[in-house]
Amino acid sequence: QQQVKQSPQSLIVQKGGISIINCAYENTAFDYFPWYQQFPGKGPALLIAIRPDVSEKKEGRFTISFNKSAKQFSLHIMDSQPGDSATYFCAASGMRGGATNKLIFGTGTLLAVQP
Amino acid sequence: GAGVSQSPSNKVTEKGKDVELRCDPISGHTALYWYRQSLGQGLEFLIYFQGNSAPDKSGLPSDRFSAERTGGSVSTLTIQRTQQEDSAVYLCASSREGNSYNEQFFGPGTRLTVL
Repeated sequence: QQQVKQSPQSLIVQKGGISIINCAYENTAFDYFPWYQQFPGKGPALLIAIRPDVSEKKEGRFTISFNKSAKQFSLHIMDSQPGDSATYFCAASGMRGGATNKLIFGTGTLLAVQP
Repeated sequence: GAGVSQSPSNKVTEKGKDVELRCDPISGHTALYWYRQSLGQGLEFLIYFQGNSAPDKSGLPSDRFSAERTGGSVSTLTIQRTQQEDSAVYLCASSREGNSYNEQFFGPGTRLTVL
């Protein structure tokens, strides 16, 4: 069963704090790990993505940390802002052996940043 | 430029009726995906189209679900004999091509309610 497990289900952070969301996967064929941000009534939008050849990727306030041996990856949001309040999904896909780039999503984390 | 558009934005139907959901991908994108977002199942892959290749239908939950993509552009997802468990938000995404890790751009979704 291809699954991606995500935690926590919900998260409350004070403005300026660090938000951390964790994901774990089982399928070692996965080799692409994106994070999506979704606001109510909108479709998910790509936030940042990582391949397993690096252990960390940073874009502005958003950082992905990747631990290949533990099969875990996490999203860190530095200096969290009220505008970051949204649902965050981790995902994974693997294209080896001709597989398609279909995304397997985690269950989502509802982040609320309090002013 | 225009993003992925979907219609209708909301659809209410009676159990047993057939419904058609439409997706207009970003111009020039050859890969098109359908996903379903529901409270119980999260975000799950349904079907994938890439150019003239045979679609990947591995995520379709039953034979009541089908999809087609005409002329390599617009796609229609059809659900026959709808059931209450089909109630969900149906999301369409497109990317420049499906055989590499290109960003998938999501539409706003169609919220389907089966009474």
